[in-house]
Amino acid sequence: DGGITQSPKYLFRKEGQNVTLSCEQNLNHDAMYWYRQDPGQGLRLIYYSQIVNDFQKGDIAEGYSVSREKKESFPLTVTSAQKNPTAFYLCASSIAPTANSPLHFGNGTRLTVT
Amino acid sequence: AQSVTQLGSHVSVSEGALVLLRCNYSSSVPPYLFWYVQYPNQGLQLLLKYTTGATLVKGINGFEAEFKKSETSFHLTKPSAHMSDAAEYFCAVSDRDGNTGKLIFGQGTTLQVKP
Repeated sequence: DGGITQSPKYLFRKEGQNVTLSCEQNLNHDAMYWYRQDPGQGLRLIYYSQIVNDFQKGDIAEGYSVSREKKESFPLTVTSAQKNPTAFYLCASSIAPTANSPLHFGNGTRLTVT
Repeated sequence: AQSVTQLGSHVSVSEGALVLLRCNYSSSVPPYLFWYVQYPNQGLQLLLKYTTGATLVKGINGFEAEFKKSETSFHLTKPSAHMSDAAEYFCAVSDRDGNTGKLIFGQGTTLQVKP
């Protein structure tokens, strides 16, 4: 079955450590997205990539970094510069980076930093 | 720029009652609108979308939504709630200005279904 795989499901880190969240898709989608979800705030866009080897900052990119070296992979690194990293992180993809293409989501990674 | 407002962060209905979740949008261009559902500790699943054409859109699990341009609304309805409908629901509008494919989400509405 095609889909988006995020791993791990739960992640615990100490403050000051960088951590990388994995996102892999086998849908052959061109575009990929990272959103952050906090209670009562909906989803906020961190980074997105419309094509391999290219990515753009979203609304809350500070303290995060990404890479898009392969079409199927879009890992997100949460750096120590992110002031409040504890959140639920969702990866999504769409067949094309166009306004009428719905996003398909993975099951998320819940990151807790103490 | 586009934005979405969901009215009511929590909605509670009895099983078998009508479900109405409200969404209003702001957009300087004809909007593309989406409703997603999220079950606890899971990702989002697409319920339905409106891009062009018929303003009454039918989705999965018996849900439907009507695009009303004059009211800038895209409310989600279901005639009869089921216990399995309890979840969080998100309305979203597409970024048509940049045509990046990214979605702008509302803050979500948690639906509680009472037996």
